[in-house]
Amino acid sequence: SQTIHQWPATLVQPVGSPLSLECTVEGTSNPNLYWYRQAAGRGLQLLFYSVGIGQISSEVPQNLSASRPQDRQFILSSKKLLLSDSGFYLCAWSVNTGNQPQHFGDGTRLSIL
Amino acid sequence: GESVGLHLPTLSVQEGDNSIINCAYSNSASDYFIWYKQESGKGPQFIIDIRSNMDKRQGQRVTVLLNKTVKHLSLQIAATQPGDSAVYFCAEGVFGNEKLTFGTGTRLTIIP
Repeated sequence: SQTIHQWPATLVQPVGSPLSLECTVEGTSNPNLYWYRQAAGRGLQLLFYSVGIGQISSEVPQNLSASRPQDRQFILSSKKLLLSDSGFYLCAWSVNTGNQPQHFGDGTRLSIL
Repeated sequence: GESVGLHLPTLSVQEGDNSIINCAYSNSASDYFIWYKQESGKGPQFIIDIRSNMDKRQGQRVTVLLNKTVKHLSLQIAATQPGDSAVYFCAEGVFGNEKLTFGTGTRLTIIP
């Protein structure tokens, strides 16, 4: 069966520090991969998605970037964190054949101090 | 712009009763719909999906109804249990588009 792993589960970082969140998927090949941010009590905002290695689509201008160095690995990064980067970050994957559900990891709670 | 929204942000239901969570969508091109359940501190969990060639689909204790005429989606949960307390999101998609559009969520609270 397929599984998705995100880490760390929680992270506290100072303003101006770098960020690297990692997401890996097991049990499937060539998945679509997604990064979302969720503010407290709110819906999901799509940040990036990828349909293949090295292919990244950015949905909103921001202080973050994403990379997909391997088929089942998706990384969310920042060179300098802002206070507004605080939130709950979720990674998801889906089968790449169209009209398929996305399956989510358990997220990373990021707090910027 | 196009959006997916929910009629009720909160819903409280007595344990054992049935609950209905509603969702309105505005993109007439959407042909795929999903319901997710999100418990506190966790990622959304897939519950059930439906394609636009169907009006109804049933799972274990859950039923999704799709009314394309009025662009309305609902999730019915039968015989609710305390473990059903969570935030429920609807999402819509269009075949060929790799993205989903999520609603803002409804918080369901089951009263013991």
